[in-house]
Amino acid sequence: QVQLQESGPGLVKPSQTLSLTCTVSGGSIRTGSYHWSWIRQPAGKGLEWIGHIYTSGDTTYNPSLKSRVTISGDTSKNQLSLNLSSVTAADTAVYYCARYSVGGVYFFDYWGQGTLVTVSS
Amino acid sequence: QSVLTQPPSASGTPGQRVTISCSGSSSNVGTNTVNWYHQVPGTAPKLLIYFNNQRPSGVPDRFSVSKSGTSASLAISGLQSEDEADYYCAAWDDSLNGPVFGGGTKLTVL
Repeated sequence: QVQLQESGPGLVKPSQTLSLTCTVSGGSIRTGSYHWSWIRQPAGKGLEWIGHIYTSGDTTYNPSLKSRVTISGDTSKNQLSLNLSSVTAADTAVYYCARYSVGGVYFFDYWGQGTLVTVSS
Repeated sequence: QSVLTQPPSASGTPGQRVTISCSGSSSNVGTNTVNWYHQVPGTAPKLLIYFNNQRPSGVPDRFSVSKSGTSASLAISGLQSEDEADYYCAAWDDSLNGPVFGGGTKLTVL
């Protein structure tokens, strides 16, 4: 059973960098037909895909956030990380990491529980 | 503004059949498979149904999907109080080179 767990500061000041880590258990981030993704959800709003890292280590980002986002992977710890720079209040949201299965049919099959990040001074 | 369009709300009484629509474009719904997630407020989304009515273990066959052109829909038959949740559609977008979501539909069981 694959499990994902997000961790990181719950409060970030405006203009600073939001940094989160997702620890994956039950499956390797470097094997299989998967993209390891970050998704966010502002309170009371819908889901927004931020970006993902492929098993190869390559990344793709949502163009709306591309200039501020970096996703990386640490195979030794089986973790993926998210850095979002120059944050504003609009970046306040619950951040999820999720596994995106791309073996023919594409869908998110496993999600972390999510972590709330508030941007405020 | 979500890439896929869903009605913000839907409702029905127990036992009824309810449908939720999802409208997209040729770069996402029109070309790729659509999947659906449900989310109880305060919890993470969960995969509900994907591709040709494939359901994860534990999801009853009261849930079904269909697609025509650039639109898809989720049907819930025999509505139950436990179905009350937010429902999201999603699909891979060839232009974005990533997944896109609908804005979500809040289902209320009256």
